[in-house]
Amino acid sequence: DQQVKQNSPSLSVQEGRISILNCDYTNSMFDYFLWYKKYPAEGPTFLISISSIKDKNEDGRFTVFLNKSAKHLSLHIVPSQPGDSAVYFCAAAKGDDMRFGAGTRLTVKP
Amino acid sequence: DTAVSQTPKYLVTQMGNDKSIKCEQNLGHDTMYWYKQDSKKFLKIMFSYNNKELIINETVPNRFSPKSPDKAHLNLHINSLELGDSAVYFCASSQALSYEQFFGPGTRLTVL
Repeated sequence: DQQVKQNSPSLSVQEGRISILNCDYTNSMFDYFLWYKKYPAEGPTFLISISSIKDKNEDGRFTVFLNKSAKHLSLHIVPSQPGDSAVYFCAAAKGDDMRFGAGTRLTVKP
Repeated sequence: DTAVSQTPKYLVTQMGNDKSIKCEQNLGHDTMYWYKQDSKKFLKIMFSYNNKELIINETVPNRFSPKSPDKAHLNLHINSLELGDSAVYFCASSQALSYEQFFGPGTRLTVL
């Protein structure tokens, strides 16, 4: 019962272009959403989050969009840089419950 | 000056053994967690501790037990290890009421 799904296991983009990572969730009770970034041999690190009362949150090159009716969120990275190459996990939360997706491996080519 | 640290980083052991993984955070956080990242790469929460009280316990086998000697430590004890326990285990911490968690580097457990 995977309530948070990242259907693209990998994504490759050219440096300078936009990276768009997608995430879908099934439980409409989730009211807080996060993106984490993970480099090899390290733990995930928090990147950006959004509350369900908003539909967009921006932090520098990173923007998260939330479409509650579609139960879909996306992370946009623009411009993409080689240092952005990592695995990105989305997470959805409500109360004490937080669920992670399986991650999308982003490769940014120079 | 690591914020969340775990030891050991790698653990290889035989089926049936009992092992522990240690976790320490120096962030002054109130809540600590243990996650298992399985072969399909999903991060699944196993336990969380808030002020020495277990507040989440997902359906994990009772061979797994968290032990918190103080607010800065949450150790994971595993008895009678099985092949299916092979995974990467992450410790994390957060302030109470915050979803923003700080993760340790992970411990790769291999059961032979």
